[in-house]
Amino acid sequence: DAKTTQPNSMESNEEEPVHLPCNHSTISGTDYIHWYRQLPSQGPEYVIHGLTSNVNNRMASLAIAEDRKSSTLILHRATLRDAAVYYCILYGIAGANNLFFGTGTRLTVIP
Amino acid sequence: DSGVTQTPKHLITATGQRVTLRCSPRSGDLSVYWYQQSLDQGLQFLIQYYNGEERAKGNILERFSAQQFPDLHSELNLSSLELGDSALYFCASSATGGSGNTIYFGEGSWLTVV
Repeated sequence: DAKTTQPNSMESNEEEPVHLPCNHSTISGTDYIHWYRQLPSQGPEYVIHGLTSNVNNRMASLAIAEDRKSSTLILHRATLRDAAVYYCILYGIAGANNLFFGTGTRLTVIP
Repeated sequence: DSGVTQTPKHLITATGQRVTLRCSPRSGDLSVYWYQQSLDQGLQFLIQYYNGEERAKGNILERFSAQQFPDLHSELNLSSLELGDSALYFCASSATGGSGNTIYFGEGSWLTVV
């Protein structure tokens, strides 16, 4: 099963970097790794995605392990607005676990 | 604002009834996705369409059906509703439905079955 596993919750101090891990040990070669976040009562919001190489955008960085069996979302300076549930999903060949969101990681940012 | 529009935002209906949820994708996006989010199930992928054709199917019940029309809007039909169908239903869209595409989500339609 090409599912992802994430810690249920994490805490970070405001303005500190945050590293959110995700394991996807059964990832296939064509699966992209996507990260989304969801604030209360809102739709999921795109954060970043990648295939093999590390990726950076204005919101975050994505570090992908060389064997692609794990990845880490990096928020360089956590703000209170970053408090959300973060989901790591695999998007690839259609199947039961494609686009599977799981329970995500609830990030709490401490002022 | 993601550019994905969903209507209605809130809906209350009785068990056994049928409802239709509507989604307009972002301008230019050819693929739409439907998700269900309930308190005890998290975000469940239901179905994906690309340019009017079904591309991928997830955990969609037989009582549910969806379609994407020539103008690319999509509808999710829920019939013989049960209390357990109460949930937030999200529509999302992407440019071509490819796995490297960014997926943009709407704000959701809250369905309450009483």
